[in-house]
Amino acid sequence: EAQVTQNPRYLITVTGKKLTVTCSQNMNHEYMSWYRQDPGLGLRQIYYSMNVEVTDKGDVPEGYKVSRKEKRNFPLILESPSPNQTSLYFCASSLGAGQANTEAFFGQGTRLTVV
Amino acid sequence: QQQVKQSPQSLIVQKGGISIINCAYENTAFDYFPWYQQFPGKGPALLIAIRPDVSEKKEGRFTISFNKSAKQFSLHIMDSQPGDSATYFCAASIDSSNTGKLIFGQGTTLQVKP
Repeated sequence: EAQVTQNPRYLITVTGKKLTVTCSQNMNHEYMSWYRQDPGLGLRQIYYSMNVEVTDKGDVPEGYKVSRKEKRNFPLILESPSPNQTSLYFCASSLGAGQANTEAFFGQGTRLTVV
Repeated sequence: QQQVKQSPQSLIVQKGGISIINCAYENTAFDYFPWYQQFPGKGPALLIAIRPDVSEKKEGRFTISFNKSAKQFSLHIMDSQPGDSATYFCAASIDSSNTGKLIFGQGTTLQVKP
């Protein structure tokens, strides 16, 4: 089954304790990205990757890191989480940029609470 | 700066009625306008999308109307059903940028009453 898998689904952590949210896709997609979803703000892009070893900042990158060492994986790293990073996070992938390739497939989300 | 503005924030419709959600954008370079549907506990999923070379696209009960001069587009759900109750996001992107980046609206929570 074609899918984007995120782990964990739920996470409660304390301020300053490093954490990683994993994301994996099995569709051989080139493009992957991370979004955060907050009430009244919709989804905002954190980071994106156009291919292996190619990453760039989205609209709200502060406090986050990513890496893309393999095509299928795109982990999101919070080196020192703070309460304002409490949010619902989604990983998404798409075949690649371009006219026929823009549909994004989303994971099921990770609900992060930083206390 | 919110490049895509969506309204209303929430919407309650009776079963069989028409649900209408509106979006407005600022960047005239946008050339792809999808709508995503999100059920509780799930990630968003593509519902329907339009490109600016057409003014309307229909798929079953779902229709996108696009007004390029007004920089607005809307989603119409005909014969709304309780199973349509979800959060809907409009989005826009620039395909030619080769980033695949989607700019989302704020979202609309739709409740269809039986």
